[in-house]
Amino acid sequence: EVQLVESGGTLVKPGRSLRLSCAASGFTFSTFTMAWVRQAPGQGLEWVSSISSSFNYISYADSVKGRFTISRDNAKNSLYLQMDSLRADDTAMYYCARVFGGSPGHWGQGTLVIVSS
Amino acid sequence: DIQMTQSPSSLSASVGDRVTITCRASQGIKYDLGWFQQKPGKAPKRLIYAASSLQSGVPSRFSGSGSGTEFTLTISSLQPEDFATYYCLQHNTYPWTFGQGTKVEIK
Repeated sequence: EVQLVESGGTLVKPGRSLRLSCAASGFTFSTFTMAWVRQAPGQGLEWVSSISSSFNYISYADSVKGRFTISRDNAKNSLYLQMDSLRADDTAMYYCARVFGGSPGHWGQGTLVIVSS
Repeated sequence: DIQMTQSPSSLSASVGDRVTITCRASQGIKYDLGWFQQKPGKAPKRLIYAASSLQSGVPSRFSGSGSGTEFTLTISSLQPEDFATYYCLQHNTYPWTFGQGTKVEIK
């Protein structure tokens, strides 16, 4: 069974950093593109970043470019999102997703990030 | 960036009704579109990929169609468990963009 379990979300002050993790199991992690998608409270879905299986293609939403860094460790079946210079509008539930058939086909349950002083 | 315009933003329907939701892309995206269902407090769930392919395990009352700039999600006979918010997503070009969502409520 495919499982994606996010962790690392917490309350953090503006300007600080946070690293989210996503532990994957039940599939061959190294062969899939992975993505982060977020959802601010009461709002719609926003794609944040994607990373290809072989690391050769990484992309970011303009809203996080230069502040967030996506990475993966295929040996540990893990996906990461390093978030620096956090702002209040980064407050959201962050979902990790496995991409297949072109779009996010399996999603984790999410980890909540609250940026507030 | 490609804009995805989803309509309607909300609708009220009864169990058994046929429901159609539309997404229009600001430029052609071929068949690079997915449809997602989200219930309150839950992660999104993909229903349709590549515009018209049914995700494994998803009931056949859900169907998708379209290509290029206009896409539809149809629920042939609305069931109680289908009351949720639905989103489209284009993945033709980065940045990927979602529609603003359609909330399907009980009439």
